[in-house]
Amino acid sequence: EDQVTQSPEALRLQEGESSSLNCSYTVSGLRGLFWYRQDPGKGPEFLFTLYSAGEEKEKERLKATLTKKESFLHITAPKPEDSATYLCAVAPAAGNKLTFGGGTRVLVKP
Amino acid sequence: DADVTQTPRNRITKTGKRIMLECSQTKGHDRMYWYRQDPGLGLRLIYYSFDVKDINKGEISDGYSVSRQAQAKFSLSLESAIPNQTALYFCATREGGTGGAEGYTFGSGTRLTVV
Repeated sequence: EDQVTQSPEALRLQEGESSSLNCSYTVSGLRGLFWYRQDPGKGPEFLFTLYSAGEEKEKERLKATLTKKESFLHITAPKPEDSATYLCAVAPAAGNKLTFGGGTRVLVKP
Repeated sequence: DADVTQTPRNRITKTGKRIMLECSQTKGHDRMYWYRQDPGLGLRLIYYSFDVKDINKGEISDGYSVSRQAQAKFSLSLESAIPNQTALYFCATREGGTGGAEGYTFGSGTRLTVV
């Protein structure tokens, strides 16, 4: 069974204090690993897809990396507007089910 | 207009009542999904559909049913609502085949409370 575990559950940062979120996964063949951002009362918003170990993607202050067992979402010099819950999900090579982790709630204080 | 629209946004219903949550999309995607989100548990798949004639159960389909009325419409029903179905429900779409590199597109959710 595919599993995704995100850590930490919650993260409080000062503005400008860089940090990383972890997503550990087990999947029977990886088709893709997805990162989403979710604001309170809204649906998840797509950030990145990573397909193979060693791949990296960047968007503004966010950078996602992938190994064979985990993915990291690095937040560089965060701003209060980066406060959100960040979700990680994996899609297996066979089958159609997307498995989500529990998310990391990030709060960036000014 | 949003790419994926869910109605209602919020609903309070009584135990035992039948309720329908609706989803429509303008993405032109074939694949549509219903997910449930509970605090700390992430999103769990209830049902998914690849086209009007193809409906599949997800990991937590008990107590739910769905209808794919058209390519753009996918509704979720709770035949007899119970309190542990209180949750945030999301509809999502994805391009079929080898596409979908952008991942899934989610609606804004329906917050359902069963009292």
